[in-house]
Amino acid sequence: ETGVTQSPTHLIKTRGQQVTLRCSSQSGHNTVSWYQQALGQGPQFIFQYYREEENGRGNFPPRFSGLQFPNYSSELNVNALELDDSALYLCASSLRPREQFFGPGTRLTVL
Amino acid sequence: RKEVEQDPGPFNVPEGATVAFNCTYSNSASQSFFWYRQDCRKEPKLLMSVYSSGNEDGRFTAQLNRASQYISLLIRDSKLSDSATYLCVVKDQAGTALIFGKGTTLSVSS
Repeated sequence: ETGVTQSPTHLIKTRGQQVTLRCSSQSGHNTVSWYQQALGQGPQFIFQYYREEENGRGNFPPRFSGLQFPNYSSELNVNALELDDSALYLCASSLRPREQFFGPGTRLTVL
Repeated sequence: RKEVEQDPGPFNVPEGATVAFNCTYSNSASQSFFWYRQDCRKEPKLLMSVYSSGNEDGRFTAQLNRASQYISLLIRDSKLSDSATYLCVVKDQAGTALIFGKGTTLSVSS
């Protein structure tokens, strides 16, 4: 086990709703990255937080936002959900710039 | 052109076979390269880093050709437990994001 936990495991929402996903990083890690993995695709980088500041962002719209807390846990918020947001959302923690360890993911279904 | 491209497969091989996966990447400035393994509905896990000199870990050998922007993974003596999706991964130029290929599915049968 990587020591990275995510909640919830599964989630069902409807279009237009908002969702918050949570990630608890491995002890000692100060960096959290979030990825979206659609069915049949590789994970796509959403953004990274390092010591509570956004440290890089992929090609995702502003309705995808995040936070990192002083204990280095993190949240991913998605507003105005669309059907295409249905995916596995993975967080990965690291002691930057070393290896990223992935959590088990949150499977989001948007109806 | 996609940043990281892989043949999605599936590759269906018998136990004991040798199988090779290939991957190309578009950004010649990339510095770090990896192979990850992902089991069905699970998170990706680092299989091995890839170095220009080539590296081996048991039955697994990874090679990097910077001139051709080409990465490979060779699995010898395939086991049933090797059945998974293998993701070719390149770290972005800033050293922040992992850029994943779509993955190559391997199915090893007895």
